[in-house]
Amino acid sequence: GDSVTQMEGPVTLSEEAFLTINCTYTATGYPSLFWYVQYPGEGLQLLLKATKADDKGSNKGFEATYRKETTSFHLEKGSVQVSDSAVYFCALSNTGFQKLVFGTGTRLLVSP
Amino acid sequence: EAGVAQSPRYKIIEKRQSVAFWCNPISGHATLYWYQQILGQGPKLLIQFQNNGVVDDSQLPKDRFSAERLKGVDSTLKIQPAKLEDSAVYLCASSFPDRGSYEQYFGPGTRLTVT
Repeated sequence: GDSVTQMEGPVTLSEEAFLTINCTYTATGYPSLFWYVQYPGEGLQLLLKATKADDKGSNKGFEATYRKETTSFHLEKGSVQVSDSAVYFCALSNTGFQKLVFGTGTRLLVSP
Repeated sequence: EAGVAQSPRYKIIEKRQSVAFWCNPISGHATLYWYQQILGQGPKLLIQFQNNGVVDDSQLPKDRFSAERLKGVDSTLKIQPAKLEDSAVYLCASSFPDRGSYEQYFGPGTRLTVT
């Protein structure tokens, strides 16, 4: 079945450091890929998405590129802020099925 | 526009008791999802409704979990009887197909603790 694997956390960074959170997937067909973020005490929010190979999703300084050849969708940000501290989930959705299959989440802690 | 509403936000029960969670999706969203998020894991789909019909309930433990979506709007998820391993956050999400994009909007969740 479809699955998502993402790097374990926590990832601890200082403010203004470069962020990478790795995500790889296994799926039949051509899934859409997503990054969701969960801030403390809040619900899941869509951060960015990509619906086909080589698409780049971006939002709030975060970026991720859909790499079909490596089945990856790594999340990057050039300069993190304390306010980016949250849990980040990589997910996929296969066309026609709609349901999201999530990775286990990666906690990011950014210190001043 | 109002987001997905869920209640209660927190619930503590003893094992073998029953519990129910309520979800009100975003107005006009035809698809509604219930996910279970166990601590340290990603959310897992329990059941998906399209209007008031079930699309996918393959991972719903049907011996103890049930869900309904009357009139294609609000939904209720019930657990009876609860087990310790049901302790989790129960997330409701809704979506409206738009040019092939099924972006899901999540509610704040209900945190269930079974003692």
